[in-house]
Amino acid sequence: DAKTTQPPSMDCAEGRAANLPCNHSTISGNEYVYWYRQIHSQGPQYIIHGLKNNETNEMASLIITEDRKSSTLILPHATLRDTAVYYCIVRVNFGNEKLTFGTGTRLTIIP
Amino acid sequence: GAVVSQHPSRVICKSGTSVKIECRSLDFQATTMFWYRQFPKQSLMLMATSNEGSKATYEQGVEKDKFLINHASLTLSTLTVTSAHPEDSSFYICSARESGGSYNEQFFGPGTRLTVL
Repeated sequence: DAKTTQPPSMDCAEGRAANLPCNHSTISGNEYVYWYRQIHSQGPQYIIHGLKNNETNEMASLIITEDRKSSTLILPHATLRDTAVYYCIVRVNFGNEKLTFGTGTRLTIIP
Repeated sequence: GAVVSQHPSRVICKSGTSVKIECRSLDFQATTMFWYRQFPKQSLMLMATSNEGSKATYEQGVEKDKFLINHASLTLSTLTVTSAHPEDSSFYICSARESGGSYNEQFFGPGTRLTVL
């Protein structure tokens, strides 16, 4: 069963903020929201994760709704190198909990 | 950040031969490594979880006798595709979880593209 749903594709103009939504309505109380991205023909790259508070790092910001049923990954100033498939994953944060990748969102940055 | 390497990055082999893919954690120790497979235009599918010093745990539908996994040290796991056939052609990606890391992040290798003729 898919734990997350994401739009299959999105476009964003270069230099603008890219906002990628993710629905995870069945998320459990101990599950975190993780975001990875995969540039063509490369391994996935970790972006950010969070539990309930909004998070920011050098790559992106993660906004999680108060009910935790959805979240948004924000790339503040998208560049052409941000073109990739973005995966939103929910998982517990201990043990050897595996990552289950859905179909993700294919983000295309347009010059 | 932590670096995971894979070797080779690309391999072409004849049908019926075996191919070994190495996954190394370069600057950290990894008790657990994961092996994924990705077909064109599809998402990553977990094949198996590899634990150092013990047998790998395979996902449902993955043949353990065909995809041999060895995790003999804290920095190296190998995946051997035995008697490869064209349908095994895929992008194989490993990831490693840092032993005793502050949180449960997995670091991914760059992938190995296998083409079986």
